[in-house]
Amino acid sequence: EAGVAQSPRYKIIEKRQSVAFWCNPISGHATLYWYQQILGQGPKLLIQFQNNGVVDDSQLPKDRFSAERLKGVDSTLKIQPAKLEDSAVYLCASSLTDPPSGNTIYFGEGSWLTVV
Amino acid sequence: SQQGEEDPQALSIQEGENATMNCSYKTSINNLQWYRQNSGRGLVHLILIRSNEREKHSGRLRVTLDTSKKSSSLLITASRAADTASYFCATASDSWGKLQFGAGTQVVVTP
Repeated sequence: EAGVAQSPRYKIIEKRQSVAFWCNPISGHATLYWYQQILGQGPKLLIQFQNNGVVDDSQLPKDRFSAERLKGVDSTLKIQPAKLEDSAVYLCASSLTDPPSGNTIYFGEGSWLTVV
Repeated sequence: SQQGEEDPQALSIQEGENATMNCSYKTSINNLQWYRQNSGRGLVHLILIRSNEREKHSGRLRVTLDTSKKSSSLLITASRAADTASYFCATASDSWGKLQFGAGTQVVVTP
């Protein structure tokens, strides 16, 4: 079974520039997550999609971050304009959704962003 | 804000020894999960324990959950150098799977 695919793996940009990350979840997984992981910290949820609808985006800095999941499959996360503090790993994850049970969440390898 | 807090922040042991790390959380949960992250890689799911369960085993892993104390522990028995990684606990407060992660325990196993 193919895992969660993310690209690019590494990106270096200057502050105030824009960047976009792409994620392809595991086939059939309805739920897709974007997490931000700053070095030395645990991941923080930015946005959660259920199919192509947003379930939770309470921690997404909406003035500069945007995300979409067209057709309920692939997703893109965009940052514009980037700030130095956005330097982090952006992890995409997916899971089957079968409430009320808990489900295993599968993570991609992450997209490493450095803002200089 | 992060729900879970792992203790200790770092742990250094020798191969063959057991490694124990703890996780405390603040609000009621639907389930608690443990993940491993090797340096520079994504997170790998290890084990999920539901709020009505007290203990689960998976290979060399043993997880306990005490909802009255709002705490969980992860025990790795007979550790190996390949167990060197950061270990995170994550709590889900509802059935939608939204996870809140702690800051992790960095485990180093020396041969």
